[in-house]
Amino acid sequence: EIVLTQSPGTLSLSPGERATLSCRASQSVGSSYLAWYQQRPGQAPRLLIFGASNRASGIPDRFTGSGSGTDFTLTINRLEPEDFAVYYCQQCARSPWTFGQGTRVEI
Amino acid sequence: EVQMSESGGGLAQPGGSLRLSCAGSGFTFDNYAMSWVRQAPGKGLEWVSSMSGTSGDTFYADSVKGRFIISRDNSKNTLFLEMNNLRVEDTAVYYCAKDLLRRATGMSDYWGQGTLVTVSS
Repeated sequence: EIVLTQSPGTLSLSPGERATLSCRASQSVGSSYLAWYQQRPGQAPRLLIFGASNRASGIPDRFTGSGSGTDFTLTINRLEPEDFAVYYCQQCARSPWTFGQGTRVEI
Repeated sequence: EVQMSESGGGLAQPGGSLRLSCAGSGFTFDNYAMSWVRQAPGKGLEWVSSMSGTSGDTFYADSVKGRFIISRDNSKNTLFLEMNNLRVEDTAVYYCAKDLLRRATGMSDYWGQGTLVTVSS
């Protein structure tokens, strides 16, 4: 099973700042099968990025995904109040598909 | 508008069974694989199972393999999860999610609001 480790666990920032979230895989997942999701309290997850760097439909361009192999990054430029949430990475390169433990972005 | 609506959650005893349903609308149901993802209270996301759009291919997490069965009725735009031999650790909100493609990739672009399953004596 591929283990995804996200860091940091919690990121404390202010609106307008940049957030940089990391996701490291225990073995290579290439670049086509890495996704990022946002989950706000009490809501279902929302797909932000697929294929490591492709924004999903309707996702603002302040969200940017990058990386390949074992190291991936989600960057959120100019944090908006609605961006304060938990973010998960997910690998779908090899079953069982797995999620990271999440990074909480808080004010 | 793409929507998924889960039902069938509730309280079950350890060793018991439940059947979850997920009705999809706003998209051509059999063009997409579908998945179940769960989230235990206060915990992160855990992928449970996926099924391709038309080929019948199914995939399971090790934690549920042999106990849960995923199926779908494309004529009724509905996804199912038959959960047997339930354990306390199966307690979670279960989300139904639409895949990006017809073959199961595990990457889900639309999610339902979830249904709570509680396993307790």
